[in-house]
Amino acid sequence: EAQVTQNPRYLITVTGKKLTVTCSQNMNHEYMSWYRQDPGLGLRQIYYSMNVEVTDKGDVPEGYKVSRKEKRNFPLILESPSPNQTSLYFCASSEPGTPNTGELFFGEGSRLTVL
Amino acid sequence: QKEVEQNSGPLSVPEGAIASLNCTYSDRGSQSFFWYRQYSGKSPELIMSIYSNGDKEDGRFTAQLNKASQYVSLLIRDSQPSDSATYLCAPYHNFNKFYFGSGTKLNVKP
Repeated sequence: EAQVTQNPRYLITVTGKKLTVTCSQNMNHEYMSWYRQDPGLGLRQIYYSMNVEVTDKGDVPEGYKVSRKEKRNFPLILESPSPNQTSLYFCASSEPGTPNTGELFFGEGSRLTVL
Repeated sequence: QKEVEQNSGPLSVPEGAIASLNCTYSDRGSQSFFWYRQYSGKSPELIMSIYSNGDKEDGRFTAQLNKASQYVSLLIRDSQPSDSATYLCAPYHNFNKFYFGSGTKLNVKP
C-alpha cells in the first residue's frame, strides 16, 4: 500500500528537549516536505526536499532542521523545542513529471505539544 | 494579499443540497489546481484536480477553473453529512511554490 508514515503520532515534550519526527514514504517520490498546521493559519511549509541531499527552506523554517540522506526518509528535527512549536505537523511527498504533478500525498500527522 | 483566499466559513447546507466552495489565487503562473478534503485532526486527502479552464466532473464533485479571473471552485452535489469537513484549495506552480488556502469549513446538516 502506497503511504507516507510519520512517527510519533502524538508527543508531549518540554521546552529545550531535542526531538525528531520521522517521515518515510514507499512510493519512491523525489519530493518531500514538512508542513505545520495551526488554527486560522492553514498549512504552512517548513522545509522541502527535491531529492537526496537537496533541501530548502519553506515559509516557516525557524527552529527546525531537516535532512535527506535517503530518498524514502525525511526527518524533521527540533533542536530546542519551544511552546510556539506546538502544532499539528504533516509530512508529504510527491513525484515531479507525472500527469498529476503537484498532487501531495500526506502522512497521518503528528500532534506535538511543547510545555 | 494572501496567495490563496478562501472563505473560512462555516458554510452550512442541508443534506441533498449543492455546496459551492470558492477560491481565488494570486500566482498567475499556477499550472494545476487541487482540492483537498480534511476531516478534523486528520490529514488532507485529494478529491479533485483541474488543469484547464472549464469544468471537470467526478461523481458528485465538479471543479471549475477560470484562469483569467484567477478563480477556482468546487461544487458538491447531493451533499451528505459525511461531506462535512474543511476543504483546502491548493494552486500549484512548481515544487518551489506550494500554496494552500486556509480552507472552508463545510457543515452538511441532516
